[in-house]
Amino acid sequence: QKEVEQDPGPLSVPEGAIVSLNCTYSNSAFQYFMWYRQYSRKGPELLMYTYSSGNKEDGRFTAQVDKSSKYISLFIRDSQPSDSATYLCAMSGGTVRFGAGTRLTVKP
Amino acid sequence: SQTIHQWPATLVQPVGSPLSLECTVEGTSNPNLYWYRQAAGRGLQLLFYSVGIGQISSEVPQNLSASRPQDRQFILSSKKLLLSDSGFYLCAWSHRGRNTGELFFGEGSRLTVL
Repeated sequence: QKEVEQDPGPLSVPEGAIVSLNCTYSNSAFQYFMWYRQYSRKGPELLMYTYSSGNKEDGRFTAQVDKSSKYISLFIRDSQPSDSATYLCAMSGGTVRFGAGTRLTVKP
Repeated sequence: SQTIHQWPATLVQPVGSPLSLECTVEGTSNPNLYWYRQAAGRGLQLLFYSVGIGQISSEVPQNLSASRPQDRQFILSSKKLLLSDSGFYLCAWSHRGRNTGELFFGEGSRLTVL
């Protein structure tokens, strides 16, 4: 079993839709949870960062962490074509572990 | 502000040839440095990380090596490339002493081994 599981998609939605991206993990030592966004042929950039369980909101983006279920989510409201990218979840309890990434396309 | 530079951006190399990818960080001191490889559908695989000059830890034994000759310079090398070394290589840095997972990535180097 992989430490971090993420459905690679691809996921295609119309502009304005709510997008839900998810990851599960198996390592209870993870304390820090991140979402990175990666545009094609570019390096990933940190999008959201959460410590322990709970929600964090930043504009159209909301990150949720449920440590009891070992499940994290990223919600994108009012999705835009510029949100089209690969989204990678990542977790850390020392060393950072990444999910495989979900490729998202938002169609105008 | 901090910046990270990685080069070359793209390279095509024959099997058996050597490799050198370079990464430098500006605007910070004593960073932790990392080399990742990204394969399609497999996420980011940590290859090497360094907490200081000359200090290299390897996550996965393979055909590659890393060196840190200066505080803000990180080099990925190979003496003889294999076909399986093809991929997208990413250099990253994080603040020393912070194990929060906040990584700052370079633009990546796409390597094709023929």
